[in-house]
Amino acid sequence: AQSVTQPDIHITVSEGASLELRCNYSYGATPYLFWYVQSPGQGLQLLLKYFSGDTLVQGIKGFEAEFKRSQSSFNLRKPSVHWSDAAEYFCAVGKGGATNKLIFGTGTLLAVQP
Amino acid sequence: DAGVIQSPRHEVTEMGQEVTLRCKPISGHDYLFWYRQTMMRGLELLIYFNNNVPIDDSGMPEDRFSAKMPNASFSTLKIQPSEPRDSAVYFCASSIDSRAGYTFGSGTRLTVV
Repeated sequence: AQSVTQPDIHITVSEGASLELRCNYSYGATPYLFWYVQSPGQGLQLLLKYFSGDTLVQGIKGFEAEFKRSQSSFNLRKPSVHWSDAAEYFCAVGKGGATNKLIFGTGTLLAVQP
Repeated sequence: DAGVIQSPRHEVTEMGQEVTLRCKPISGHDYLFWYRQTMMRGLELLIYFNNNVPIDDSGMPEDRFSAKMPNASFSTLKIQPSEPRDSAVYFCASSIDSRAGYTFGSGTRLTVV
């Protein structure tokens, strides 16, 4: 069965600093991987996704993520964080195909200090 | 494109009452998902539909919960009778296929008192 782990429950970074949020997955084949962001009182918004091809994927809002099969990881990065990036971030893994069922991590809450 | 539309945004009800949450998916999206989000349990998949047919309802907590999708543009999640422990934010999401990811609605915040 698939599973996804986000080891960091809460992270605080300074505005302008770089960011890396960790995501580890468990799945036998090549998974479909996603990062979502949730601002307070809002639904989840898709940031980026990976299912094949180039292992470094670019997303919206200046985010990128790298798929590393050897480490079973799909970490989210941003070179310079803005105050508006404060939100909760969710990693999700799916099997792909007709199933189209995602398993979400427990989320990482990002705080940005001035 | 108006996105996934959920109603109501907020619902406060008394224990024992029936609650109906509504969702309009994005046109052309064949998959529809109902999730529940709480601080304690995070995001839980309750049920999902493909082409209006329920595919996996293993996450539905108990018989008090039911979901329907009578057509491609509408789905409901009903709780009868409601209990305080049902208080949560309920999200609906739709998807065109497994590569596209999901589009979430803004959620319904349910409070059962």
